[in-house]
Amino acid sequence: GDSVTQMEGPVTLSEEAFLTINCTYTATGYPSLFWYVQYPGEGLQLLLKATKADDKGSNKGFEATYRKETTSFHLEKGSVQVSDSAVYFCALSDEGQGAQKLVFGQGTRLTINP
Amino acid sequence: SQTIHQWPATLVQPVGSPLSLECTVEGTSNPNLYWYRQAAGRGLQLLFYSVGIGQISSEVPQNLSASRPQDRQFILSSKKLLLSDSGFYLCAWSEGLAGINEQFFGPGTRLTVL
Repeated sequence: GDSVTQMEGPVTLSEEAFLTINCTYTATGYPSLFWYVQYPGEGLQLLLKATKADDKGSNKGFEATYRKETTSFHLEKGSVQVSDSAVYFCALSDEGQGAQKLVFGQGTRLTINP
Repeated sequence: SQTIHQWPATLVQPVGSPLSLECTVEGTSNPNLYWYRQAAGRGLQLLFYSVGIGQISSEVPQNLSASRPQDRQFILSSKKLLLSDSGFYLCAWSEGLAGINEQFFGPGTRLTVL
């Protein structure tokens, strides 16, 4: 079945550092790809998404490009802030029986130190 | 605007006791509804999803069940809890239309089974 593999954490960076969180996927079709973020004590929020190959999703300074040839959707940010500390989940969509089912990676905990 | 509610926020239950977690969505009609579980140190796993009243699809065999008695109400239940049922339970909804639609997550319920 479909699966998502994320860079293992935790990841600790200093403020203003460059961030990359790797994500690769395995899918039989052409899924949409997502990054969700979970701030401490909260539910998940959609950070960005891409629905087809070569699409770039972006939001809040974060970017990820749908790379079909490498089956990847790596998350990047040029200069992280303390407020970016959270758990980040990569996910793909798998439509089934009229519903869109999300398959998540295991999550990467990011801590930004001032 | 749409909102999603989950309760209770936290719950501590003894092994063998019953469980009922409730999720309601406001501001939309005919949503797709989802229950996920996030076990400690692991990613999110889809447990159930529903495309309509009384329609429940189970993704993994387990000690839990789900019901959708009303269009915007989704309930997760168990007759007898196991230690392995501990985790963070998230309800989500998406537009009940064809195509790729964002899932919106509730605040979650943290369940501890002792």
